[in-house]
Amino acid sequence: NAGVTQTPKFQVLKTGQSMTLQCAQDMNHNSMYWYRQDPGMGLRLIYYSASEGTTDKGEVPNGYNVSRLNKREFSLRLESAAPSQTSVYFCASRRQGQPQHFGDGTRLSIL
Amino acid sequence: AQSVTQLGSHVSVSEGALVLLRCNYSSSVPPYLFWYVQYPNQGLQLLLKYTSAATLVKGINGFEAEFKKSETSFHLTKPSAHMSDAAEYFCAVSDDTGTASKLTFGTGTRLQVTL
Repeated sequence: NAGVTQTPKFQVLKTGQSMTLQCAQDMNHNSMYWYRQDPGMGLRLIYYSASEGTTDKGEVPNGYNVSRLNKREFSLRLESAAPSQTSVYFCASRRQGQPQHFGDGTRLSIL
Repeated sequence: AQSVTQLGSHVSVSEGALVLLRCNYSSSVPPYLFWYVQYPNQGLQLLLKYTSAATLVKGINGFEAEFKKSETSFHLTKPSAHMSDAAEYFCAVSDDTGTASKLTFGTGTRLQVTL
């Protein structure tokens, strides 16, 4: 039972490089989410996808783009990475009426 | 708009002592409330949820929380702390359960359990 799978688990980038974080869920959930976690700030929503084919901005979308590739996959792209985007990124998914299930995170450092 | 305040970024208790982690929420509609736990280098795991049924909610690992509308609180408790409870705990609020439902998280409370 894989649940929510995030790849990669760790990544180091240089300022200005681009990168795509991958997220896949095998629970047939409709909704998917991307968060960033920073010390003392909890989790903040970057983007979400209520259903396949739709995406919406969350609290902190600047500097990011997303793609809901199909029902299973929801990717997060950093077009030009900045040191302020150093964070732990979590993907989550849920079925309507149920709580969100989280992946184990991607730890991203930008130098 | 909804928000969550967790009082105390760090809480330390002795093994066997009562655990009390505080959460107050703000919501313009009847809220749905959650507690999640995060162990080091892991994702968030659901401890318990309140969805307008019983006000006292029991979760996994012996934790429970009580919804108090008059106090806008949803504090997490456990009668007797165990070393394995050391982790970071997040309270979260949502205003609906539809497909576009979003969670707003508190800033977290790190629980330390000492011998």
